[in-house]
Amino acid sequence: NAGVTQTPKFRVLKTGQSMTLLCAQDMNHEYMYWYRQDPGMGLRLIHYSVGEGTTAKGEVPDGYNVSRLKKQNFLLGLESAAPSQTSVYFCASRRGHETQYFGPGTRLLVL
Amino acid sequence: DAKTTQPNSMESNEEEPVHLPCNHSTISGTDYIHWYRQLPSQGPEYVIHGLTSNVNNRMASLAIAEDRKSSTLILHRATLRDAAVYYCILRGWNSGNTPLVFGKGTRLSVIA
Repeated sequence: NAGVTQTPKFRVLKTGQSMTLLCAQDMNHEYMYWYRQDPGMGLRLIHYSVGEGTTAKGEVPDGYNVSRLKKQNFLLGLESAAPSQTSVYFCASRRGHETQYFGPGTRLLVL
Repeated sequence: DAKTTQPNSMESNEEEPVHLPCNHSTISGTDYIHWYRQLPSQGPEYVIHGLTSNVNNRMASLAIAEDRKSSTLILHRATLRDAAVYYCILRGWNSGNTPLVFGKGTRLSVIA
């Protein structure tokens, strides 16, 4: 039982490049979330999903897209990366009212 | 979900108890009090949660005021590994799929 895993762990992008961050969970959770965390700040919600095939916007969705084609995977896409998207990205999953589990994070640097 | 207020930072000596406060004066009767912590360079992890009664688990204790307008996370013997940012979060029992909302939390430093 790996819990929540994130790929890649670290990435450097140039402005304008695109990339996809992958989140996978093996706990059969319905709900999945993408947060970003800037230095010295709390976590801010980007997008979330309440089930396979569904997505919804969070607090800071601009510049990101997501897809949940399979229950266990939640993808976060950056179509045209900007320096303001330099951050640490955390994925999380949860079942109902139970504990929310987080992945180890992806560190993204946009030059 | 109602708002919480926590001190920005606290400091503790190793092997001493730590009391981390959280104010939530606008808490509703159906809001659970959750605590998560984030160790350096890691994702947040669950610590404890409660509704009205004090709660204990292997990581910590949660003391909830009688009027529920404040609560305190208690680490009975702080270790260097407890140095982290601690988040106090309220969630309604019927909030369903509503995401957890994180504030800035309290950064706990533990001194050897």
